[in-house]
Amino acid sequence: DTVLTQSPTTLSLSPGERATLSCRASQSVYNYLAWYQQKPGQAPRLLIYDTSNRAAGVPARFSGSGSGTDFTLTISSLEPEDFAVYYCQQRNNWPPIFTFGPGTKVDIK
Amino acid sequence: EVQLVESGGGLIQPGRSLTLSCTTSGITFGDYAVSWVRQAPGKGLEWVGFIRVKAYGGTTGYATSVKGRFTISRDDSNRIAYLQMKSLKAEDTGVYYCTGVPTSSGEYYMDVWGKGTTVTVSS
Repeated sequence: DTVLTQSPTTLSLSPGERATLSCRASQSVYNYLAWYQQKPGQAPRLLIYDTSNRAAGVPARFSGSGSGTDFTLTISSLEPEDFAVYYCQQRNNWPPIFTFGPGTKVDIK
Repeated sequence: EVQLVESGGGLIQPGRSLTLSCTTSGITFGDYAVSWVRQAPGKGLEWVGFIRVKAYGGTTGYATSVKGRFTISRDDSNRIAYLQMKSLKAEDTGVYYCTGVPTSSGEYYMDVWGKGTTVTVSS
């Protein structure tokens, strides 16, 4: 099964700064990589799918890139509402096993 | 408005069974696979299982941690999905989320999420 690793575990930044989050897969997932945002007490929300496509309503400051095994979520300029935990996710083709990364917490410096 | 609403959670003793429901509205249910995801207190997200749409045979897949104990089903006429959980263990405690996985785009990402229902397994 494909394992996803995220780094760093915690990212401490100030509003207005750029955030760069990494997700690495143990084997190629091609471009089938998604990112989610979760705020305390809330359900996760899809941000990015197919590596770089923003989900409906997601601000343009969020962008995704990468391919194969190395992927990046970038928040160009942090807004107060962006401080949250971010997860990457993929799925094995068959059998259908979905995997989440352990998450990166972006907190206020 | 798209809504997925989970219900059926609660406090349950170890070894007992519990069935969660996911009632949907605002989506074409037949165009979505359903995946259940859980989150233990203070922990990350863990995928539980998945059921494909009828057109793809309605086949299911499960995480190793729940295989043989959990069963997912769907009632397309009423737009409801179910998660039947048997032989519950303390480590099954957490918030359970129902998610919609669109079949039109690789059938792998979770486009819509419910707010979750809490399951606590304890004596």
